[in-house]
Amino acid sequence: KAGVTQTPRYLIKTRGQQVTLSCSPISGHRSVSWYQQTPGQGLQFLFEYFSETQRNKGNFPGRFSGRQFSNSRSEMNVSTLELGDSALYLCASSSGLGSYNSPLHFGNGTRLTVT
Amino acid sequence: SQQGEEDPQALSIQEGENATMNCSYKTSINNLQWYRQNSGRGLVHLILIRSNEREKHSGRLRVTLDTSKKSSSLLITASRAADTASYFCATDKEYGNKLVFGAGTILRVKS
Repeated sequence: KAGVTQTPRYLIKTRGQQVTLSCSPISGHRSVSWYQQTPGQGLQFLFEYFSETQRNKGNFPGRFSGRQFSNSRSEMNVSTLELGDSALYLCASSSGLGSYNSPLHFGNGTRLTVT
Repeated sequence: SQQGEEDPQALSIQEGENATMNCSYKTSINNLQWYRQNSGRGLVHLILIRSNEREKHSGRLRVTLDTSKKSSSLLITASRAADTASYFCATDKEYGNKLVFGAGTILRVKS
């Protein structure tokens, strides 16, 4: 089985722009979670989707949004980018009903740099 | 906020030695998971231990869980240079449906 695929791998944007990141989960996985990783804050939970429904959301501003499609692929969008949004954005899929009760399978992330 | 907190923050050992990392958490949990991350890449799942389990093994890895002390440990035996990575524990928050990661332990295995 192919692993979790995240595109693009690297992205450079300027402040005020918006960005869309894409994630293709492992085939058959219906749960997709997103995390932001920075040196200062570590891994922070963004949101989780299951069967196109957002099940959980972390403590991020409304500029961060996401969605999941019927084929379980997911996208996250960040609008009005700020310098502090520079981070590694990780997507993970799981076979369970939620990320908390079964292993997460991570992609290699999208490295976003905001200048 | 982070649920699990790893200790030590960094660990440097010689190849062949054992490495022990600890994780403490604040609320009751359903399960606890350990992950490894090589520099700049995604996390790899190592072991999931449920709250009613006390110990689990996987190859050179041994995980223990003490729910009375709200702590877990990850032991890597006979370490190899390839074990050099960051190790994270992750817990589900009580009544929550999300996985929260600790700050991680950076392990360096010198050959």
